[in-house]
Amino acid sequence: DAGVIQSPRHEVTEMGQEVTLRCKPISGHNSLFWYRQTMMRGLELLIYFNNNVPIDDSGMPEDRFSAKMPNASFSTLKIQPSEPRDSAVYFCASSWGLPTDTQYFGPGTRLTVL
Amino acid sequence: ELKVEQNPLFLSMQEGKNYTIYCNYSTTSDRLYWYRQDPGKSLESLFVLLSNGAVKQEGRLMASLDTKARLSTLHITAAVHDLSATYFCAVENNYGQNFVFGPGTRLSVLP
Repeated sequence: DAGVIQSPRHEVTEMGQEVTLRCKPISGHNSLFWYRQTMMRGLELLIYFNNNVPIDDSGMPEDRFSAKMPNASFSTLKIQPSEPRDSAVYFCASSWGLPTDTQYFGPGTRLTVL
Repeated sequence: ELKVEQNPLFLSMQEGKNYTIYCNYSTTSDRLYWYRQDPGKSLESLFVLLSNGAVKQEGRLMASLDTKARLSTLHITAAVHDLSATYFCAVENNYGQNFVFGPGTRLSVLP
């Protein structure tokens, strides 16, 4: 298995632009998580899905952020419009069940908003 | 508001020594997670602790949970250089929401 796949691995964009991050979970996993890591705020859980349904989006910072999971093998995290404070590494993870099962993390997307 | 603290934040130790990392949290919870992150890399799940008194071990690492004290420990036995990494704990409150990470403990094991 290829593990959790994220794309792009690096993204540089200008303030105000729309950014879309993508994640392909491990086949057969039914939970998917989006995390953000910054020096200032540390690690944060943004949202997680179970069976393609958002279960907890309390970590989504504001309306500029949206996440979708149209099917079991694909999820997107969109930022529109992007701001410099959104610069971070965004990780996607998947697990068989809920967070209590072992989560497998993707390599992350490093986002820089100029 | 759920808050999670770790100490120490930085730990430098010699190979072969034992040490413990502590994770304290502020509200009732019986779900605690430990992760490892190598510099510039992604995260790796280490342990999930789901009840008071839970203990899990993997190699030289052992994690435990005391929900009454709101405390988890990650004990390192006979450290080796390969254990050098940042270790994070994370706590999920009893309502299945508010998944909060600690600040991390950066561990350096010196030869």
